Amino acid sequence: DAEITQSPRHKITETGRQVTLACHQTWNHNNMFWYRQDLGHGLRLIHYSYGVQDTNKGEVSDGYSVSRSNTEDLPLTLESAASSQTSVYFCASSVQLQETQYFGPGTRLLVL
Amino acid sequence: GNSVTQMEGPVTLSEEAFLTINCTYTATGYPSLFWYVQYPGEGLQLLLKATKADDKGSNKGFEATYRKETTSFHLEKGSVQVSDSAVYFCALCERTGNQFYFGTGTSLTVIP
Repeated sequence: DAEITQSPRHKITETGRQVTLACHQTWNHNNMFWYRQDLGHGLRLIHYSYGVQDTNKGEVSDGYSVSRSNTEDLPLTLESAASSQTSVYFCASSVQLQETQYFGPGTRLLVL
Repeated sequence: GNSVTQMEGPVTLSEEAFLTINCTYTATGYPSLFWYVQYPGEGLQLLLKATKADDKGSNKGFEATYRKETTSFHLEKGSVQVSDSAVYFCALCERTGNQFYFGTGTSLTVIP
């Protein structure tokens, strides 16, 4: 069955370190998204991509970057982790814009 | 701009009680509306959606009607079960846009 996976599921890192969170989908969806989920804020969009070599900034993109070298993967990099980036991160994909987004299981990141 | 406002939680109900979770939206255009559910430790899953005024989305006993005149998309279920305990998110996506806007989520706990 097609799916969307994220790794690692849990990560502890130190302030200032570079961290990369992986997202892989097997639906062949063109559109992929990264969100962070924080209490009281719901889900906020970090970055998104409409296809290979395309990346766009979302609402809370500062301190994060993404790259899209193939259809299946959209890794999220924290260039220099900060305590404010402690959060749960969700990757999602969709076949069409304005259509249903399918979410991965999430990565819980703790920055000490 | 676009935004979604959900009723504050947490909500605690007894099994077989009636559920309503209020959701209102602000949109510059004519959006599609969604309810997502997040079970503990998991990613978000689509629960139901509606794409035009007066449409009713339904799934697993949950219903929501797209009310353009009141800009609302309230979630209802006639008889909740313990297994419905989860966090529920209302979301919108503009037809000409490319981003989802999520509410802050409403936590529901159903007790036997």
